[in-house]
Amino acid sequence: EVQLVESGGGLVQPGRSLKLSCVASGFTFSNYGMNWIRQAPGKGLEWVAYISSGSSYIYYAETVKGRFTISRDNAKNTLYLQMTSLRSEDTALYYCASFNNYVFAYWGQGTLVTVSS
Amino acid sequence: EIVLTQSPTTMAASPGEKVTITCRASSSVSYMYWYQQKSGASPKPWIYETSKLASGVPDRFSGSGSGTSYSFTISSMETEDAATYYCHQWSSTPPTFGAGTKLELK
Repeated sequence: EVQLVESGGGLVQPGRSLKLSCVASGFTFSNYGMNWIRQAPGKGLEWVAYISSGSSYIYYAETVKGRFTISRDNAKNTLYLQMTSLRSEDTALYYCASFNNYVFAYWGQGTLVTVSS
Repeated sequence: EIVLTQSPTTMAASPGEKVTITCRASSSVSYMYWYQQKSGASPKPWIYETSKLASGVPDRFSGSGSGTSYSFTISSMETEDAATYYCHQWSSTPPTFGAGTKLELK
């Protein structure tokens, strides 16, 4: 059974940093691109970042470029999102999602990030 | 960035009723993808490459379209179909989602 389990969310003050993790199991993590997608409370889905299977290709949404860094450790089956200079508008449920043939095939349950003073 | 405009934003359908959701892209896309999200749950892939059903999706669902105009149809609404549906494209980066259509049971 495929599982993606996010962690690392919490309450953080504006301007501070936070690092999210997503541990994958049930599939060959190193073969798949991975994404972070977020959803603000009561709002729609917003793609945040993508990393290819071997980390050769990385893309970011303009709203987070220069502040967030996506990375992965294939030996640990883990995806990361380092978030710096956090803003109130970054408040959201952050999902990791596997990527196969342009489909976000599997999603985690999400980890909530709240940016507030 | 390609903007996806979904309509309607919300709708209610009775059991057995036909449901159609449209998604218009600001520029032409090769394929449209659709996701279902139920309240409190993570999104699930529902339709991929415009018209192909994801694993386990009932055949009362269908998708069609090309270029800038796509649609998502439920031939006969069932109770379990109440959810929010999002269209999505990644024909060009950044990938974008529509704002979602909340489908309620009447």
